[in-house]
Amino acid sequence: DSGVTQTPKHLITATGQRVTLRCSPRSGDLSVYWYQQSLDQGLQFLIQYYNGEERAKGNILERFSAQQFPDLHSELNLSSLELGDSALYFCASSGTLVGRSAGYTFGSGTRLTVV
Amino acid sequence: QQQVKQSPQSLIVQKGGISIINCAYENTAFDYFPWYQQFPGKGPALLIAIRPDVSEKKEGRFTISFNKSAKQFSLHIMDSQPGDSATYFCAASMEYGNKLVFGAGTILRVKS
Repeated sequence: DSGVTQTPKHLITATGQRVTLRCSPRSGDLSVYWYQQSLDQGLQFLIQYYNGEERAKGNILERFSAQQFPDLHSELNLSSLELGDSALYFCASSGTLVGRSAGYTFGSGTRLTVV
Repeated sequence: QQQVKQSPQSLIVQKGGISIINCAYENTAFDYFPWYQQFPGKGPALLIAIRPDVSEKKEGRFTISFNKSAKQFSLHIMDSQPGDSATYFCAASMEYGNKLVFGAGTILRVKS
């Protein structure tokens, strides 16, 4: 167990729908990162939050949004889903804004299938 | 400039052999280079990492070699075992920003 908890593990939904993926970071970690992993795109950085504030944005679609709550858990909201959004979505956490000494710890991911 | 190029895409090694995976980057602002190991159904797990002020780092059977002038780094797995069969990702990040840029991954299979 990495200490980063992601729910649900699997999600099957129809095109056009909206889903919410949840991440609880490792205890004490303030930074949360979201990554998308698909077969043809590898691991793509989506967005980073630090202590409730957005810190960095990557290749995140406008249909996607995220937030980090006061208890530090984070949610990734995906709307108007398309077949191409089917992927593994990973959350990672780290100890500080530049917390390399603590490393980046990944959760086990949420597998999203859009049908 | 944000890309990290990884090769090979896949690798088959005999048990006891050496597995070598290579990565190259363009952005000289990168200053942290980790390697991650991922098993099916699991998230990537940090294996070993290096900063550009050293040319080599070894942890057990895993060694990172770093060539700053060539902007290349590689992972060597000595005495490869079937349990090492996994997907390996190299990555890079800058001190400020902290997001990791990943290579495309290498699927390693160690034959017993």
